[in-house]
Amino acid sequence: GESVGLHLPTLSVQEGDNSIINCAYSNSASDYFIWYKQESGKGPQFIIDIRSNMDKRQGQRVTVLLNKTVKHLSLQIAATQPGDSAVYFCAEYSGNTPLVFGKGTRLSVIA
Amino acid sequence: SQTIHQWPATLVQPVGSPLSLECTVEGTSNPNLYWYRQAAGRGLQLLFYSVGIGQISSEVPQNLSASRPQDRQFILSSKKLLLSDSGFYLCAWSRGESYGYTFGSGTRLTVV
Repeated sequence: GESVGLHLPTLSVQEGDNSIINCAYSNSASDYFIWYKQESGKGPQFIIDIRSNMDKRQGQRVTVLLNKTVKHLSLQIAATQPGDSAVYFCAEYSGNTPLVFGKGTRLSVIA
Repeated sequence: SQTIHQWPATLVQPVGSPLSLECTVEGTSNPNLYWYRQAAGRGLQLLFYSVGIGQISSEVPQNLSASRPQDRQFILSSKKLLLSDSGFYLCAWSRGESYGYTFGSGTRLTVV
């Protein structure tokens, strides 16, 4: 479920390194997952999605991994850049209800 | 292509005043529509969603209400704002629940 009342955890990464952002989801029936990026003062932007019949999907510099056994989702960002600094949310879909968003992780890139 | 418009971008309102935030979607028909609120440095809290004209589902009881007078228009309202209503309000649309959401640019509401 949502943890909207909690402060966001922060991940600090050196520019050029790879970033891994993790998300634990709650519903074993969830079959569609999305990662969003939210820059300060803006709405969340779609990054990448994955359906439950896959365990890995790659985009441009981003990879999403899905481990259904332990209900874990991760977002990997290769060669992290200052423009990657943002809050990242995972979201899960498990039926005819709205997407459930995770609590978010703030990524800070150190130049 | 589909676009979502949300306005105003920022709003400062006194306690007890009414509120009306508007969201419209272009380039699609019969979208699912959503209102979220985000407190500073926090996650996304779903307030309302709608799967059709006149159909509103409320997720959190509060002094806010939503309406969908037209297929691609979603309005968030309050008769009397509270200080706790301050936050970043986001509208979103989707083709359906198994598709991703597209968010608007948000409205920063400060109740003083």
